[in-house]
Amino acid sequence: AQSVTQLGSHVSVSEGALVLLRCNYSSSVPPYLFWYVQYPNQGLQLLLKYTTGATLVKGINGFEAEFKKSETSFHLTKPSAHMSDAAEYFCAVSGGNSGYALNFGKGTSLLVTP
Amino acid sequence: EAQVTQNPRYLITVTGKKLTVTCSQNMNHEYMSWYRQDPGLGLRQIYYSMNVEVTDKGDVPEGYKVSRKEKRNFPLILESPSPNQTSLYFCASSRTPINYGYTFGSGTRLTVV
Repeated sequence: AQSVTQLGSHVSVSEGALVLLRCNYSSSVPPYLFWYVQYPNQGLQLLLKYTTGATLVKGINGFEAEFKKSETSFHLTKPSAHMSDAAEYFCAVSGGNSGYALNFGKGTSLLVTP
Repeated sequence: EAQVTQNPRYLITVTGKKLTVTCSQNMNHEYMSWYRQDPGLGLRQIYYSMNVEVTDKGDVPEGYKVSRKEKRNFPLILESPSPNQTSLYFCASSRTPINYGYTFGSGTRLTVV
């Protein structure tokens, strides 16, 4: 079965600093990978996705992620953090035996300090 | 506006009292799904549906029922709620999950006492 592991349940960065949220996946077939963001008291919003093609994927709000097959990783980055980026971030994988499910990681809470 | 609408947003109920959480989408999506979110566990799929009258179990289906009589609606039914079903529930829909991911509703926070 496909699964993802998010390293670090909490990440704190200063405003203007690089944001790096880590995600590693396990999959027996080519994975389709997603990053979602959840703001307080809201549902999940799709940030970006990788299906096929270019391995560097750009999403909304200045975020991007790079699919690295050799490292089984799909880390999320943003060059300069804003206070409004404070939220919970989830990595997810679909494909193969997971059928129509997205299998989510446990989430990383991003704190942005002034 | 394209959206997934869940009701209610908040619900407190007592053990054993049947309840239904409604979910409706206006995007003509074929796929719909229910997830529960618990601290430290992330999101786990309860049930999903590939089309009208086609449903299947996800990872944590015990204690839940669903139905898909119309394409736009996918209610979640708890016949006899228990405290371990206290959670945040999300309904989601998709054209094709494997390619597009899911569009999520705003969530229903359920407390069973």
